Amino acid sequence: GDSVTQMEGPVTLSEEAFLTINCTYTATGYPSLFWYVQYPGEGLQLLLKATKADDKGSNKGFEATYRKETTSFHLEKGSVQVSDSAVYFCALSAGNYQLIWGAGTKLIIKP
Amino acid sequence: NAGVTQTPKFQVLKTGQSMTLQCAQDMNHEYMSWYRQDPGMGLRLIHYSVGAGITDQGEVPNGYNVSRSTTEDFPLRLLSAAPSQTSVYFCASSYEGLETQYFGPGTRLLVL
Repeated sequence: GDSVTQMEGPVTLSEEAFLTINCTYTATGYPSLFWYVQYPGEGLQLLLKATKADDKGSNKGFEATYRKETTSFHLEKGSVQVSDSAVYFCALSAGNYQLIWGAGTKLIIKP
Repeated sequence: NAGVTQTPKFQVLKTGQSMTLQCAQDMNHEYMSWYRQDPGMGLRLIHYSVGAGITDQGEVPNGYNVSRSTTEDFPLRLLSAAPSQTSVYFCASSYEGLETQYFGPGTRLLVL
C-alpha cells in the first residue's frame, strides 16, 4: 500500500543553518504531496504542496520539489530561525479522500 | 472566521465511559475528517465526511461513531472508552477533497 517515510528526529540545528528534512514515498499513480507543520500546542497547518512531478512548492522560505524518479519530496530551508521549531509532517493523497502521513520530524532550532 | 473549533481541549475518561468530541467549522467546507495522533505514528484517519449526511470509515474506525447532520458540525463519539483510545484527536476540514486541510487545535483524551 501507499506509504510515507520521513527521517527520524529530533533534528537539532543552530539558527541560520541550512535545513533538509527527507521524505520519500511509495504510491501507485501520481499522488499530490504535502508538507504540514505543527507548532507546539497547535493543530497542523499546510506549509506547502505539489501536485505533479517536478513541481516545486514554496512558502515562508521553505521549498520542496516533487521528484518522481527518486519518489522524494524533501523539505529545505536556507536559513532557519528559532521560530521554525516545530514538528513537520510529510503526506500524500492516496485517493479515496484519504491522506497518508509520515510519522513527523521534530525540528529544534537553538539560538 | 473562527475556523475549525474543537471541544473539549482536554478530557479524562474511565474505561467504559462514552463521550462526544465536538468539531465545528464556519468556512462552509464540504469535507471534514477526524484523526488521532499518537507518538511516532503520524496521523491516522478515523472517519471522514464529504458532505452533510455522508460519512465513511478511515484507517482506524473501530470504537468510534460519527454523523454529519449539518455542514458545520462533525461530532466524534466514543462508544465505550478503552485505554488504547488515549490520544490527541484532531478535526480537519477542507473546501473540496484534500487540497488544503484546516485543522482544529486538538482534544487531548486520557482513558484510565
